[in-house]
Amino acid sequence: AQKVTQAQTEISVVEKEDVTLDCVYETRDTTYYLFWYKQPPSGELVFLIRRNSFDEQNEISGRYSWNFQKSTSSFNFTITASQVVDSAVYFCALSVLYNFNKFYFGSGTKLNVKP
Amino acid sequence: EAQVTQNPRYLITVTGKKLTVTCSQNMNHEYMSWYRQDPGLGLRQIYYSMNVEVTDKGDVPEGYKVSRKEKRNFPLILESPSPNQTSLYFCASSLLDDDEQFFGPGTRLTVL
Repeated sequence: AQKVTQAQTEISVVEKEDVTLDCVYETRDTTYYLFWYKQPPSGELVFLIRRNSFDEQNEISGRYSWNFQKSTSSFNFTITASQVVDSAVYFCALSVLYNFNKFYFGSGTKLNVKP
Repeated sequence: EAQVTQNPRYLITVTGKKLTVTCSQNMNHEYMSWYRQDPGLGLRQIYYSMNVEVTDKGDVPEGYKVSRKEKRNFPLILESPSPNQTSLYFCASSLLDDDEQFFGPGTRLTVL
């Protein structure tokens, strides 16, 4: 069975602090994909990253970075020098190859960045 | 503009009154899904579709129906809504399976 756990329900930081959002996944499949989505207060869902299970290289995009570790089944997301505009709910998600578009989302982490 | 549209955006209805939430995408995507979002539960997949006339159940299909008669449209049907179906619903589409999904703006449904 597939499962995604985001144990941090809510995190509050002050602007310019670094923050890491945790994501732990469970799957017995060897080929799978991991995703992060952002949901700002306006409500839309915005894609941030997709990573396949064979690519464990860390990814950096501006202030965002992702750390994928198969050994601990984690795909953590770090925001460096957080800004108020980063305030949102962040979802981690998993899909497995040949499962034809079936996705498993975590419960989300609400990030509050205070000025 | 590439987008996924949903209608209505807001709906208040009563128990048992059949309703349909429409979803349409203009990106010629093969794959489409419906999700519901509830506090503390994240997004849960209701149904998904791999192509026209091909659909399958997600994690929470009870009380819902879907159809995919055209590639661009994927309506969600609640034949007899109940209060536990009060939720925020999202439609999504993607070009390939296991791919980035494009989400609609959401439909907030309240069943009294």
